[in-house]
Amino acid sequence: VMTQSPATLSRSPGETATLFCRASQNIGTNLAWFRQKPGQAPRLLMYHASTRASGVPARISGSGSGTDFTLTINSLQSEDFAVYHCQQYGDWPPWTFGQGTKVEF
Amino acid sequence: QVQLRESGPGLVKPSETLSLTCSVSGDSVTRSAYFWAWVRHPPGKGLEWVASIHHRGSDYYNPSLKARLSISLDTSNSILSLTLRSVTAADTATYYCVRQDWVNWFDPWGQGIFVTVSS
Repeated sequence: VMTQSPATLSRSPGETATLFCRASQNIGTNLAWFRQKPGQAPRLLMYHASTRASGVPARISGSGSGTDFTLTINSLQSEDFAVYHCQQYGDWPPWTFGQGTKVEF
Repeated sequence: QVQLRESGPGLVKPSETLSLTCSVSGDSVTRSAYFWAWVRHPPGKGLEWVASIHHRGSDYYNPSLKARLSISLDTSNSILSLTLRSVTAADTATYYCVRQDWVNWFDPWGQGIFVTVSS
């Protein structure tokens, strides 16, 4: 089971957002993060907990291992206000996602 | 650049069968590095992995859906298919076709198709 917190995070442009994802058991660094904007499909941001996907800016970073993971977004821009999902691939099947964190302005 | 496009009915009656297809272009579905999968997103809930399949025949199903589910891959036409039997309102969701990096993360995603189960 993947648990994300908080459910909603209120921030202003230029601020920093810190999102958390906790696994119910040790998954090493087998974690991915996705961003989903309204009306769009999720887009891969991070894999192996801290490796940025193609085109993801350096102000977005991931960290963690084992059961606790963090996604940090510095200098929030308009495109960052979205829902973020974490997904584990360390213990499958099933592959499981968190419930999502909404970053709102 | 791989593109995935889902198609199917937007409305299905309870107890009936939902059939979805996904047309894959820009990549070969027989590349050994990838599985092909379905993920769904019920309104107001988190993403839920449904099933995954590899062109060599390996497939995996979400245990909560396995009894009602079939996934297949037509390698000749690059079409991924999903069949979900005996649907209920709980199956109402946006269904996404996705490429899976081996048995790891999901990328990229199709645009999704919203399916409502209602009489």
